[in-house]
Amino acid sequence: ETGVTQSPTHLIKTRGQQVTLRCSSQSGHNTVSWYQQALGQGPQFIFQYYREEENGRGNFPPRFSGLQFPNYSSELNVNALELDDSALYLCASSSRQGAYYGYTFGSGTRLTVV
Amino acid sequence: GENVEQHPSTLSVQEGDSAVIKCTYSDSASNYFPWYKQELGKGPQLIIDIRSNVGEKKDQRIAVTLNKTAKHFSLHITETQPEDSAVYFCAARDHGSGNTGKLIFGQGTTLQVKP
Repeated sequence: ETGVTQSPTHLIKTRGQQVTLRCSSQSGHNTVSWYQQALGQGPQFIFQYYREEENGRGNFPPRFSGLQFPNYSSELNVNALELDDSALYLCASSSRQGAYYGYTFGSGTRLTVV
Repeated sequence: GENVEQHPSTLSVQEGDSAVIKCTYSDSASNYFPWYKQELGKGPQLIIDIRSNVGEKKDQRIAVTLNKTAKHFSLHITETQPEDSAVYFCAARDHGSGNTGKLIFGQGTTLQVKP
């Protein structure tokens, strides 16, 4: 059984650019959530995807968008990058929509915006 | 919406001692409370969770207690070992987010276990 894998592990982008982060969910998991973790803080919910549709969103602007594919993998896209977008982006998968069964997190993508 | 406060922010204990981390939540409708351990360079790892219909849950050296009336829950680690050193996060499911798995995390506790 493979866990959650994220790519790339590290990324440096310039303010104003666009970025795409990728996530492969754990085998058997059909729900993917994305979280942003600023340095020294707890993760903050960006959105969740279930059956290829966004079904929940945190307090993030529309320039944060995502996709889920038929194999349950997912992408997070961020447009018009700002310095404050620098953070660790975590992908989490679960076998049910409501996360009562516990998320499995990936190791994250460290994004630095300069 | 839900808000989770976690204390202390740092905790240093001697190997073999116990460690306790406490969290409070604001939404009395919240019904699921997981704890995560995050080591350097890794994502959070679920170590134990509890639902609101249970007051205590144990798994070897780790236990979680929940007081619904006071809206607080605690993580207890007994016989601490150096490998327990990490950042620990409590979380609560955001009941107001409907059927999503949105979790609200605390600010984290850095636990250092001294050999």
